[in-house]
Amino acid sequence: NAGVTQTPKFQVLKTGQSMTLQCAQDMNHEYMSWYRQDPGMGLRLIHYSVGAGITDQGEVPNGYNVSRSTTEDFPLRLLSAAPSQTSVYFCASSLVGTGSYEQYFGPGTRLTVT
Amino acid sequence: GESVGLHLPTLSVQEGDNSIINCAYSNSASDYFIWYKQESGKGPQFIIDIRSNMDKRQGQRVTVLLNKTVKHLSLQIAATQPGDSAVYFCADTGATNKLIFGTGTLLAVQP
Repeated sequence: NAGVTQTPKFQVLKTGQSMTLQCAQDMNHEYMSWYRQDPGMGLRLIHYSVGAGITDQGEVPNGYNVSRSTTEDFPLRLLSAAPSQTSVYFCASSLVGTGSYEQYFGPGTRLTVT
Repeated sequence: GESVGLHLPTLSVQEGDNSIINCAYSNSASDYFIWYKQESGKGPQFIIDIRSNMDKRQGQRVTVLLNKTVKHLSLQIAATQPGDSAVYFCADTGATNKLIFGTGTLLAVQP
């Protein structure tokens, strides 16, 4: 299994540009989520999904969109990039209903918005 | 979690010593707690978890202790090795069953 994969690893955007961060998992996990990690702020939940066709907002959803058309993929879209979105983005996935909230994380995408 | 600014709390230990990393949580309704390890440039990696009906759980070289009275969680690492150098995050489920992460502690292992 490849686990959770994310592309690209690095990205530089200009203010106002849009882009999609890709996330895929091959573990047949129902739950997928996106976090951003900023210095001194830990990991903050942006959006999550409990299954194909179902998405919901997390703690910091503004400026981001998600969709979940398949179990495997959960892309994160930046509609109009802003410098405040400079961060490291992590995608994670987990099973549902096991009694554990253990999430498997991807390697991250480092995004810089100038 | 509570922001502590741009500088992470740091715990510096000698190789071979035991390490204790502490974490405070705020929501008394949390019923699940988890520790993650994050090495530089990588995603967080699961270490150990514990439910609120337990006060101690052991893994390989790691022990998690939960004190619900004072809302405190700790991770003990026995015989710390250079490969243990990383940022350690605690997380709990809060009131929403979504993981809420702390700001992390940097563990620096001195040879």
